[in-house]
Amino acid sequence: KAGVTQTPRYLIKTRGQQVTLSCSPISGHRSVSWYQQTPGQGLQFLFEYFSETQRNKGNFPGRFSGRQFSNSRSEMNVSTLELGDSALYLCASSLGWGLRNTEAFFGQGTRLTVV
Amino acid sequence: AQKVTQAQTEISVVEKEDVTLDCVYETRDTTYYLFWYKQPPSGELVFLIRRNSFDEQNEISGRYSWNFQKSTSSFNFTITASQVVDSAVYFCALSEPQGGSEKLVFGKGTKLTVNP
Repeated sequence: KAGVTQTPRYLIKTRGQQVTLSCSPISGHRSVSWYQQTPGQGLQFLFEYFSETQRNKGNFPGRFSGRQFSNSRSEMNVSTLELGDSALYLCASSLGWGLRNTEAFFGQGTRLTVV
Repeated sequence: AQKVTQAQTEISVVEKEDVTLDCVYETRDTTYYLFWYKQPPSGELVFLIRRNSFDEQNEISGRYSWNFQKSTSSFNFTITASQVVDSAVYFCALSEPQGGSEKLVFGKGTKLTVNP
């Protein structure tokens, strides 16, 4: 059974540009969450999607957005990139909504570098 | 707000030594979930365990064991007879209710290096 797939694995962008990251969850999983990992702030929750609807959002500016498609694949978009957006972006998929009855399985992440 | 503290930033041991990774958490919720994840150099977070707040039984899985003590708000992780392949960053996390769902609040992680 395939795991969580994130593409691309590496990205280099220039300040002011925008970027789109993709996440394909485990087959049958309907929930996708996104996390940002930086050396300074650690792992921080961005948002969660379930059945194409955003269920939760973390404390990030509006430049960070996302969506989920009917096949549960998700994309996140960051507009007007800043140097501080350089990070490892991790996607997690789970069977259901929330964490009480399900585990979250993570992909290998997309490493974004903003120059 | 929920908080997870992993006081040990880095630990270095020699193969076959036992090692314990500490995790202390803060929450006002009566029902919550605790997790441990392993992050090898490849970057993927590998799920190790989930524990709910009502289950204080210790758990053992092979060389891994977890000690959950509600009285001290701790959820420590022990690796017995460590191996080089155990080298990774280990994260402790706590579920935080939000918008009818939960998100994970992570500690800063403990980097474990197991030397041959």
